Amino acid sequence: GAVVSQHPSRVICKSGTSVKIECRSLDFQATTMFWYRQFPKQSLMLMATSNEGSKATYEQGVEKDKFLINHASLTLSTLTVTSAHPEDSSFYICSARQEGLSYEQYFGPGTRLTVT
Amino acid sequence: AQSVTQPDIHITVSEGASLELRCNYSYGATPYLFWYVQSPGQGLQLLLKYFSGDTLVQGIKGFEAEFKRSQSSFNLRKPSVHWSDAAEYFCAGYAGGTSYGKLTFGQGTILTVHP
Repeated sequence: GAVVSQHPSRVICKSGTSVKIECRSLDFQATTMFWYRQFPKQSLMLMATSNEGSKATYEQGVEKDKFLINHASLTLSTLTVTSAHPEDSSFYICSARQEGLSYEQYFGPGTRLTVT
Repeated sequence: AQSVTQPDIHITVSEGASLELRCNYSYGATPYLFWYVQSPGQGLQLLLKYFSGDTLVQGIKGFEAEFKRSQSSFNLRKPSVHWSDAAEYFCAGYAGGTSYGKLTFGQGTILTVHP
């Protein structure tokens, strides 16, 4: 089946620094990837939609300058949290939509970000 | 607005008992509906999906779900729960058109299984 990986699985960074999270589709090409944020005991909230070769589309209320998304290839999208603060601590999950199978998304294992 | 609702935040069942997790949707067009399971600190695993056709959908791990348009529901069922089924379950869906590709998730239902 379609596999999506994320790296790192967990990261701790100091307040004010930036951290990059990678999302890779391992055995398929993903024209579209999605980035979600999940707070403890809550559901997933879509942050942005990432299309290969074009700018990401951010959901209302998500700061595009803070959460930089790059989708440089059909198998890789990155989320960079810039100038991280403790309130950015969360569980970030990416998903990828397989080209040709438009309605299915495959989810990565998530990245736990802790900002101290 | 298009939405997916899971009325039950937490459900507890005994191992071996049957299970039904509720999901209601609110969409103007025919929805595409999914059930996912998430173990603590993990990503989401797709259990099953409904796009069209047969309203009773079989999934992995012995789960099934039934799409009922008259009740706007897509409830997840399992005849006999195993301790390893303890996790959080999310119903999700979207219609086509402008929401193409953007999933809306329910609030999630935490399943606890007693031995």
